[in-house]
Amino acid sequence: GENVEQHPSTLSVQEGDSAVIKCTYSDSASNYFPWYKQELGKGPQLIIDIRSNVGEKKDQRIAVTLNKTAKHFSLHITETQPEDSAVYFCASYINQFYFGTGTSLTVIP
Amino acid sequence: DSGVTQTPKHLITATGQRVTLRCSPRSGDLSVYWYQQSLDQGLQFLIQYYNGEERAKGNILERFSAQQFPDLHSELNLSSLELGDSALYFCASSVEQGFGTQYFGPGTRLTVL
Repeated sequence: GENVEQHPSTLSVQEGDSAVIKCTYSDSASNYFPWYKQELGKGPQLIIDIRSNVGEKKDQRIAVTLNKTAKHFSLHITETQPEDSAVYFCASYINQFYFGTGTSLTVIP
Repeated sequence: DSGVTQTPKHLITATGQRVTLRCSPRSGDLSVYWYQQSLDQGLQFLIQYYNGEERAKGNILERFSAQQFPDLHSELNLSSLELGDSALYFCASSVEQGFGTQYFGPGTRLTVL
């Protein structure tokens, strides 16, 4: 079955810096790649997604890139703010959703 | 607020017992997904229902079962509970049958003593 790996598991950045989280997947047939943000005590919330026929997508300070050849996709957060501190999960979809193990992002004011 | 509701918020029970978790999807959403989130295994997909029918099955144990009712709410039944079943259980809903935006509920924290 599909295997999604996510790195790093923890990430600390200074406010205003950029943060990058990377994921790899194993099944080349995977066709949808969402990213979720989970704050303490809450359920995951979709922040951006990308389909397999698109290489990059941007929404304000957040962007996702997809390299189908290398089977990896990345989340980029620019101009980080303290409220970006949370756990971020990547996922892939091939008949069901497969999640990465999460990255705990801390933005230091 | 995602619009997905889950009850109860917390559940404490003993090994060997059976519990039922309830989920109400967002208005208009036909798909309901169940996930288990534990510290050592991350977010694991359990099962998906679409408009009352089982659509996809993940790593769901035989001791667990689920169903979606005509009013589209869903229940996850966990039986013969073990200590290792202690986890957060999330329900998510979406309009689509396949991939698409999922909206997660606040979760039910299950503690098995």
